[in-house]
Amino acid sequence: QKEVEQNSGPLSVPEGAIASLNCTYSDRGSQSFFWYRQYSGKSPELIMSIYSNGDKEDGRFTAQLNKASQYVSLLIRDSQPSDSATYLCAVNIPGGFKTIFGAGTRLFVKA
Amino acid sequence: GAVVSQHPSRVICKSGTSVKIECRSLDFQATTMFWYRQFPKQSLMLMATSNEGSKATYEQGVEKDKFLINHASLTLSTLTVTSAHPEDSSFYICSAPPGGGTSYNEQFFGPGTRLTVL
Repeated sequence: QKEVEQNSGPLSVPEGAIASLNCTYSDRGSQSFFWYRQYSGKSPELIMSIYSNGDKEDGRFTAQLNKASQYVSLLIRDSQPSDSATYLCAVNIPGGFKTIFGAGTRLFVKA
Repeated sequence: GAVVSQHPSRVICKSGTSVKIECRSLDFQATTMFWYRQFPKQSLMLMATSNEGSKATYEQGVEKDKFLINHASLTLSTLTVTSAHPEDSSFYICSAPPGGGTSYNEQFFGPGTRLTVL
């Protein structure tokens, strides 16, 4: 059973703080990793993709990948109330197009 | 990013009727599209992979005769929920990978269709 695990939260951080979201996956062959943001009642929106070990930064967001530990994380700097949403970690299944999603972590940013 | 549309955005129907949901890739061709279902406060559950010009591939536990998928063109996939019942009420979302043919497949999602079966 291929799995993607996330802490369901909720994770609550004050405005301006760094929010740290974590994800582990079971398939060592996975090569593509994604973070999506989903607001309540809306469909997911792609925030970051990462394919190589290390950090990838895009604005206030930094994705971190450690394939040896099968671990992916997302850091949100200078968190804003508008960042309050559910963050889904997603991992591509090797050999095809399918993507497995974690259950998501609910983030609350308090003003 | 790539744009995926869905229609309708919301539908309410009586038990026993069939409902068709359309998913379109607006600015790219999609040989593959995915259909997900999401119940309140739960994660996305992949229902099936829609393949242009061939049969869809259904995930374990998803009834292919109940959830009919047709991928008639490179920009359109449809999901028909046949003989819908209240337990089919959910948020149905399609997605497509613009990359096509590679494993580096970022998924772009449609806005979703909220189905309520009375």
